[in-house]
Amino acid sequence: RKEVEQDPGPFNVPEGATVAFNCTYSNSASQSFFWYRQDCRKEPKLLMSVYSSGNEDGRFTAQLNRASQYISLLIRDSKLSDSATYLCVVTSGTYKYIFGTGTRLKVLA
Amino acid sequence: NAGVTQTPKFQVLKTGQSMTLQCAQDMNHNSMYWYRQDPGMGLRLIYYSASEGTTDKGEVPNGYNVSRLNKREFSLRLESAAPSQTSVYFCASSELRVNEQFFGPGTRLTVL
Repeated sequence: RKEVEQDPGPFNVPEGATVAFNCTYSNSASQSFFWYRQDCRKEPKLLMSVYSSGNEDGRFTAQLNRASQYISLLIRDSKLSDSATYLCVVTSGTYKYIFGTGTRLKVLA
Repeated sequence: NAGVTQTPKFQVLKTGQSMTLQCAQDMNHNSMYWYRQDPGMGLRLIYYSASEGTTDKGEVPNGYNVSRLNKREFSLRLESAAPSQTSVYFCASSELRVNEQFFGPGTRLTVL
């Protein structure tokens, strides 16, 4: 089993739709959780950290479920500019950041 | 602030050639990392440097060496390039070991 697993997609959604991605992790001792966004042929950029209490940033909401070992990302009112690959990142151990392979999102006009 | 910078942006090598990828950050971060990204495999850690003067192996260190030249700079060297090292290489830095990482723009390397 991979340490971090994501559905590769693509998720094709119309503008204005709500879309959610999940990411499961295998190490129950994982400490920190992040969602990154990666545009085609660009570097990953932090979208948001994921806190135990959940957190929201505008149209984006992230949740952490430690009992079931998954994190989620909800995007409301999708924009064309949201089209990208979304990477789930989990820290485990001393300096170990584990990246998922990413979920591709395409927002259609 | 430039953040994390990498040079070169693109490179084509022949099998057996050597080269050094350069990375620098201006955020005064202690930790720096080198990753490679291949289709369908996510980012994989090659080497990391927890702080100036220390380096450690990551998940896929074979065929690579690193140097933490000072707090700002962390270079990755391929001594004898192989086609399996064709990839996109990203350098990253972070303030603390559990904080978010900031990435450079990447180096696209092709080994023929």
